[in-house]
Amino acid sequence: GAVVSQHPSWVICKSGTSVKIECRSLDFQATTMFWYRQFPKQSLMLMATSNEGSKATYEQGVEKDKFLINHASLTLSTLTVTSAHPEDSSFYICSAPSGSLLSGEQYFGPGTRLTVT
Amino acid sequence: AQKVTQAQTEISVVEKEDVTLDCVYETRDTTYYLFWYKQPPSGELVFLIRRNSFDEQNEISGRYSWNFQKSTSSFNFTITASQVVDSAVYFCALGGGGTSYGKLTFGQGTILTVHP
Repeated sequence: GAVVSQHPSWVICKSGTSVKIECRSLDFQATTMFWYRQFPKQSLMLMATSNEGSKATYEQGVEKDKFLINHASLTLSTLTVTSAHPEDSSFYICSAPSGSLLSGEQYFGPGTRLTVT
Repeated sequence: AQKVTQAQTEISVVEKEDVTLDCVYETRDTTYYLFWYKQPPSGELVFLIRRNSFDEQNEISGRYSWNFQKSTSSFNFTITASQVVDSAVYFCALGGGGTSYGKLTFGQGTILTVHP
């Protein structure tokens, strides 16, 4: 079946630095990918929609200058957390829909755990 | 706006008991999709089921069964004869059709603990 990978699976960085997280669709093309964020013991919240060939669209309350999204190809989307702070520590998960609009299939990556010290 | 409510924050059962996880949703879309995911401690979401809004047929898959009722906007999940390996966080999620395709709204999650 379809597989979505993320790299790295976990990362620790110092406050003020930037971190890039990659999301790849391994055996299908994804013109759209989604980025979610999950704080400890909480639910997943959609952050933004990554669109191949155009700008990402962000959900209300998500700082687009802080969370830079680039959909470089039909199989790769990257999320860069700029000037990271401890409050950005979270579990970041990407997803990609596959198949026709009628199928609604969603494939999630394994997630990236970010810790900012 | 879409909303998913999982009223049970935590459920604790003893192995072999049956357990039902409740999910109630709100949406104005006429076409939508409902999902259940399992999230073990590793964090990776495990897909369990997807249901289209136009298909109210209930489904059984091994020890898992799902009851979809549009009249009450509910999509409940039952585990029969629970096992310790079923311990995890379970999320109900709602996805729209059309331009909302792919965007999922998740419930708060239910922590299920199955004791031996």
